[in-house]
Amino acid sequence: DTEVTQTPKHLVMGMTNKKSLKCEQHMGHRAMYWYKQKAKKPPELMFVYSYEKLSINESVPSRFSPECPNSSLLNLHLHALQPEDSALYLCASSRGEGRTNSPLHFGNGTRLTVT
Amino acid sequence: SQQGEEDPQALSIQEGENATMNCSYKTSINNLQWYRQNSGRGLVHLILIRSNEREKHSGRLRVTLDTSKKSSSLLITASRAADTASYFCATGNAGNMLTFGGGTRLMVKP
Repeated sequence: DTEVTQTPKHLVMGMTNKKSLKCEQHMGHRAMYWYKQKAKKPPELMFVYSYEKLSINESVPSRFSPECPNSSLLNLHLHALQPEDSALYLCASSRGEGRTNSPLHFGNGTRLTVT
Repeated sequence: SQQGEEDPQALSIQEGENATMNCSYKTSINNLQWYRQNSGRGLVHLILIRSNEREKHSGRLRVTLDTSKKSSSLLITASRAADTASYFCATGNAGNMLTFGGGTRLMVKP
């Protein structure tokens, strides 16, 4: 079992829908991440929050909007997605800030399908 | 950009055999990490080796690092069916985020 919890596990949404992915960790980690992973590919970094502030945005389209309400929670708000956005979305956390290269703790992801 | 490249892309072995996966990278690193991913699940951190270390062990895992060749290997000894997964290397250097390699898909047949 993972110490990073993601909900929902599966999500199917239309291109006009608005939905949110949620992530929670209680390890006291100060950095949290969103990754996108397509089948048979490595995870691709989307966003990094460090001490609840957005520190990295890897040129992600604005239809993805991250939010960090507190040090334990991370959300990803989705709006007007495209079918090519279908993927596994992974949340991760680490003890150190992202650039310190601390080991990442991943959740089990949300499998998103955009129809 | 993807720094780590893994070899082979896919590996199929019998239970009890050893599995070796290789990772090559392009720039200097602080550390190199290996992760395992079971199908449809999140990645699990296996082991971290620092740039000043040459070899590290954890249970049935043995990781080597050759900074002169910019390469690392992950050896899983006495493999089990439960080791079936994708394995990713990830490299980190000062001031930059971890970068994942393309991964090796390992199948261990019972």
